[in-house]
Amino acid sequence: DAGVTQSPTHLIKTRGQHVTLRCSPISGHKSVSWYQQVLGQGPQFIFQYYEKEERGRGNFPDRFSARQFPNYSSELNVNALLLGDSALYLCASSPGGADTQYFGPGTRLTVL
Amino acid sequence: AQRVTQPEKLLSVFKGAPVELKCNYSYSGSPELFWYVQYSRQRLQLLLRHISRESIKGFTADLNKGETSFHLKKPFAQEEDSAMYYCALSGRGFGNEKLTFGTGTRLTIIP
Repeated sequence: DAGVTQSPTHLIKTRGQHVTLRCSPISGHKSVSWYQQVLGQGPQFIFQYYEKEERGRGNFPDRFSARQFPNYSSELNVNALLLGDSALYLCASSPGGADTQYFGPGTRLTVL
Repeated sequence: AQRVTQPEKLLSVFKGAPVELKCNYSYSGSPELFWYVQYSRQRLQLLLRHISRESIKGFTADLNKGETSFHLKKPFAQEEDSAMYYCALSGRGFGNEKLTFGTGTRLTIIP
């Protein structure tokens, strides 16, 4: 098993643009969570999805949205990008909502 | 509000010396506590979880509810322990499973 996979690895966007990040969980895992990690900080929770339904939302503006598909993969969308959105975006999956979370390698987003 | 504090951004320890990485938390209830580790050019991975009471790679952590601490310890440091360490907590029950992380401690083992 390759573990949690994320695409793309790196991404460069300009302010005002939109971005979509993708995550494939470990086979059999039904929960996916998204985190934002700004340089020098720990990961900060954005969303959790379980069985295709939103189970938790962090303190992020409405420009951030996500969804989970029937195969349990997930997308994170960010609209109207700001310079401050530059960060490493991590996806984590777990068998159920309360189980150990396994992290992907992340997508490095740079907003110019 | 839930919060995790790791007071040391950087920690250097000689090989063979004891290691202690500090973690304090704030949570109204009974949280679950974790230590995650990130080795150079690798992804974030779970080191240990307090409910499992396991010792992983020689590391242990004791939950002290009175002091709201979950310090990570190892009696004899090894060079391969050099990494970034994050303490994290989550709540219990539906909708409370999100992880709240500290800012991390970069541990360097001096040969």
